[in-house]
Amino acid sequence: GAGVSQTPSNKVTEKGKYVELRCDPISGHTALYWYRQSLGQGPEFLIYFQGTGAADDSGLPNDRFFAVRPEGSVSTLKIQRTERGDSAVYLCASSLNAQETQYFGPGTRLLVL
Amino acid sequence: AQTVTQSQPEMSVQEAETVTLSCTYDTSENNYYLFWYKQPPSRQMILVIRQEAYKQQNATENRFSVNFQKAAKSFSLKISDSQLGDTAMYFCAFIGNAGGTSYGKLTFGQGTILTVHP
Repeated sequence: GAGVSQTPSNKVTEKGKYVELRCDPISGHTALYWYRQSLGQGPEFLIYFQGTGAADDSGLPNDRFFAVRPEGSVSTLKIQRTERGDSAVYLCASSLNAQETQYFGPGTRLLVL
Repeated sequence: AQTVTQSQPEMSVQEAETVTLSCTYDTSENNYYLFWYKQPPSRQMILVIRQEAYKQQNATENRFSVNFQKAAKSFSLKISDSQLGDTAMYFCAFIGNAGGTSYGKLTFGQGTILTVHP
């Protein structure tokens, strides 16, 4: 079946702009996760959803970052007033539930100029 | 807080030989899961192998096996009969079980770049 998909694959924006990154999880997966990966580093947790609600958002770096999952499927990560330090690969993953193995999408590479 | 340490930034191996990647972790939780993920240049994070902490038997998946030492908090990955397609960054990761502070979120190590030479 189809895996986790993320759009866009690459996003270039200017400092101060607003961006939205989309994640389509594997069908039937109730848990969805966002991670951020800087160059040469391991991914760092941002937020995870169980159904429509954010079960843990402790990894969001500040209030410029926000994520939603209104119907319990597709999720959007929103970044306001982007900064150059936000440049990274943003990975999305999904799992049957929070105890099961997480399957990752190909990521969105965000570059803030 | 949980930490995962991979002390080998880079490793190389000849095709068909065996290589072992190291990983140690620190946690106060008793029930958890450990993973090895592979990330080739395409950026896609691919699950290699998973180990439940309550299981004493080491997990194996074809050419991939782990040496899980719970008391030592060590979780190494052995790749046998290495293939060119194994060239990638490998990440060790930890997740806690229900009720723990790390439930639902993977903690990753810094990664090890593995190069398989023909």
